[in-house]
Amino acid sequence: SQQGEEDPQALSIQEGENATMNCSYKTSINNLQWYRQNSGRGLVHLILIRSNEREKHSGRLRVTLDTSKKSSSLLITASRAADTASYFCATDPGGNEKLTFGTGTRLTIIP
Amino acid sequence: DAGVIQSPRHEVTEMGQEVTLRCKPISGHDYLFWYRQTMMRGLELLIYFNNNVPIDDSGMPEDRFSAKMPNASFSTLKIQPSEPRDSAVYFCASRSGLAGDQFFGPGTRLTVL
Repeated sequence: SQQGEEDPQALSIQEGENATMNCSYKTSINNLQWYRQNSGRGLVHLILIRSNEREKHSGRLRVTLDTSKKSSSLLITASRAADTASYFCATDPGGNEKLTFGTGTRLTIIP
Repeated sequence: DAGVIQSPRHEVTEMGQEVTLRCKPISGHDYLFWYRQTMMRGLELLIYFNNNVPIDDSGMPEDRFSAKMPNASFSTLKIQPSEPRDSAVYFCASRSGLAGDQFFGPGTRLTVL
């Protein structure tokens, strides 16, 4: 199974509401990253959180990391129609240079 | 910077034909990654290069797949012969340094009939 597993697989909310997505992983990490993928496009990096950090903010994004539970969450506040996309977490174990991507959460914002 | 450039954007071919996908990473980036994305298997890392040298090709599914990086500004992923199960979107990504975010290209949607 993949290192990162996102939950839920799909999420639909009304515009203006907050969206929360979760990611669980199995092995120790150096950092964890979140990416967004719009339909038919490549992935775009959103935010990186290091293993010694617990929370990080970037605009309307808030990421938390709990290394004891091997989990992370991505919160998008005041959602907009343009936030409709798939969101992936990716873990970087450090040392071997490569990321392992999760299965993604498909987020739909209803106008 | 134009970002990571991939060509072609779409490729339709018949089973048994050779397919070559191309990637130009962001100038100055020393890491290049090739991924494949399908509905069934998600996003899979196929191979990655550091300073034009292949580091890990454990994700390459079969000997029909090969990748090269002859210089810092160009890489190819070749499938020979292609099969219908190779149909997917293939992404190239590049990165500067050991850790940090990757920059993805727009992808090549490959359909093998």
